[in-house]
Formats: sequence, C-alpha cells, structure tokens
Amino acid sequence: DTGVSQDPRHKITKRGQNVTFRCDPISEHNRLYWYRQTLGQGPEFLTYFQNEAQLEKSRLLSDRFSAERPKGSFSTLEIQRTEQGDSAMYLCASSLVGLAGGLNYNEQFFGPGTRLTVL
Amino acid sequence: RKEVEQDPGPFNVPEGATVAFNCTYSNSASQSFFWYRQDCRKEPKLLMSVYSSGNEDGRFTAQLNRASQYISLLIRDSKLSDSATYLCVVTGYGQNFVFGPGTRLSVLP
Repeated sequence: DTGVSQDPRHKITKRGQNVTFRCDPISEHNRLYWYRQTLGQGPEFLTYFQNEAQLEKSRLLSDRFSAERPKGSFSTLEIQRTEQGDSAMYLCASSLVGLAGGLNYNEQFFGPGTRLTVL
Repeated sequence: RKEVEQDPGPFNVPEGATVAFNCTYSNSASQSFFWYRQDCRKEPKLLMSVYSSGNEDGRFTAQLNRASQYISLLIRDSKLSDSATYLCVVTGYGQNFVFGPGTRLSVLP
C-alpha cells in the first residue's frame, strides 16, 4: 500500500501525559499537512510542511503542540500535557504541489487518522 | 463569518434522485477548490477538484463562481453508495486548506 499511513491508529491516554503520532506520506509528495477533526465538524488545519520546512501553523496550535518533519519524509506531531479537549481524530495528508497545463495542483490525500482519547 | 460554509443538511434522497450541494467561501484570493467525501469514521477522500470552467466526472458535476465566491456539486442518479458527508475545501489565506463543516447525504432505497 503506497498511501499515507499513520501510527498509532488509536491512542488512549490520561490527562497530563505526552503523546506522539507519526505520519508517513506518499513518497514523492513534497507537502505534508496535519489536521484535527472532531465529531460533526470538518477537519481543522493545524500545520503544514513543504519538504522539511514548517511553513504555516494555525492559531489553534497551542504551545503544547509541536510538529517536525526532520528529513522531509515522515512527520511527527507531539502533544504535551494532554487535556480532555485534545480528544479528536488527528489526520495527516500529503500532496505534490506543482503546475500542469497551466493549472496549479495541490490535491491532498489523507491517511486513516489517529484517534486520540484523553481520559 | 466562517471561511467556508455549506448547506447544513442532512439531505435524505431516494435512489436515482439528483441532489445539489452548495458552498460559499469568504477569501476572494482563494485559488484551489475541491470536493471531498468522508464516510463515517473514515478519512476524507478526494472526490474532485473544481476548476473555473467547471468540470464533470461521470455522475458528478462541480461548478465554481469566483464572482459570487460559490461552489456547487451536483450528483445525478444518486446511488446508495453515495451516502456520505461531502466536504467543500478551499485554500485559505496561506497555503493551508480550509474545510467546510460538511453536508451529510443519505440515499435511501
């Protein structure tokens, strides 16, 4: 399977613990995105990388959240001192940004997500 | 005003019906537009990109009206398998994607 993969698929933790999620994008894709989704809502953008550079962070991303993409391949999202409000599905997506036929293309492909439950 | 707004739904339609979803966006500088579908407890999957000239893929037709900042998705001859939440996506003020809240569709036998 050459799609986007995420690990773990489920994580249950106690309030105050740190958690780390991993995302492996489609190999030739240069952009990697993190989103958070809660029930009944669309995904909310958290941050994205172009290769290894983190180019944009949402105001939703508090100081407890940090993301890295050290070699421009896989990425990690860490949440420190988890709170119950952090419970959500964390989605990773990747895309190949470019130009073809005069059209910008930036179609994102999503991984299956990591479902976080903070008790 | 939210950056991307969609019909609140849910839409319950019989098999074979034609259904249209509407989406409006607030950022006039947006460049890329997409429709994704999301099945219950699954990740969003790209349905189609939306181009200025409009585009069609089988039973699905997407239209973009930049002047009105409006995007639509038309599904003809709806199938039971079309039941899902349809998410309108627009590039935001940066290069990030902004998702609408989604419109849920149930196609009934």
